[in-house]
Amino acid sequence: KAGVTQTPRYLIKTRGQQVTLSCSPISGHRSVSWYQQTPGQGLQFLFEYFSETQRNKGNFPGRFSGRQFSNSRSEMNVSTLELGDSALYLCASFPGTGNTDTQYFGPGTRLTVL
Amino acid sequence: DAKTTQPTSMDCAEGRAANLPCNHSTISGNEYVYWYRQIHSQGPQYIIHGLKNNETNEMASLIITEDRKSSTLILPHATLRDTAVYYCIVRVRPYNTNAGKSTFGDGTTLTVKP
Repeated sequence: KAGVTQTPRYLIKTRGQQVTLSCSPISGHRSVSWYQQTPGQGLQFLFEYFSETQRNKGNFPGRFSGRQFSNSRSEMNVSTLELGDSALYLCASFPGTGNTDTQYFGPGTRLTVL
Repeated sequence: DAKTTQPTSMDCAEGRAANLPCNHSTISGNEYVYWYRQIHSQGPQYIIHGLKNNETNEMASLIITEDRKSSTLILPHATLRDTAVYYCIVRVRPYNTNAGKSTFGDGTTLTVKP
């Protein structure tokens, strides 16, 4: 089975721009979660989508949003980029059904805001 | 989610067993213990998880105390490629609506030395 894939892997933007990151979960996985990792704050939960609905949300401003499509692929969007949004953005998926719930992570998208 | 406490860093000689402790004294009955590792800003890699019994797979062994308040990840024969940040987290069982949200601490930086 292919793992979690994220595109693009690297991105450079300037302040005030917006960005969209994409995540394709493992086939059959219905839950997709997004995390932000920075040197100062570590790995922080952004939000989770399950069957196209946001099921959980972390403590991030409304500039961070996401969505999930019927094929479980997910996108997250960050509007009005700030320097502090520079981070590694990670996506993770798990089946969401049954008793197997291991979350598998993708390689991440490295976003640099100049 | 229960909070986990791990030592900031540990060293291990190549070929020796690496024993990484984790304290999760507030874990509840519906939470699993998961271990991940992250190698130099790649996505976290799943290692192993358990509920209350000891577990072993091709990568590692997980020892959970009887009261479930702490656990130890054992890498039986550490290699230089095992140098990474190791995260211990607790997550609710799969059918819980919070299963998609994981709370990561700062982890343990394991350095395997020749």
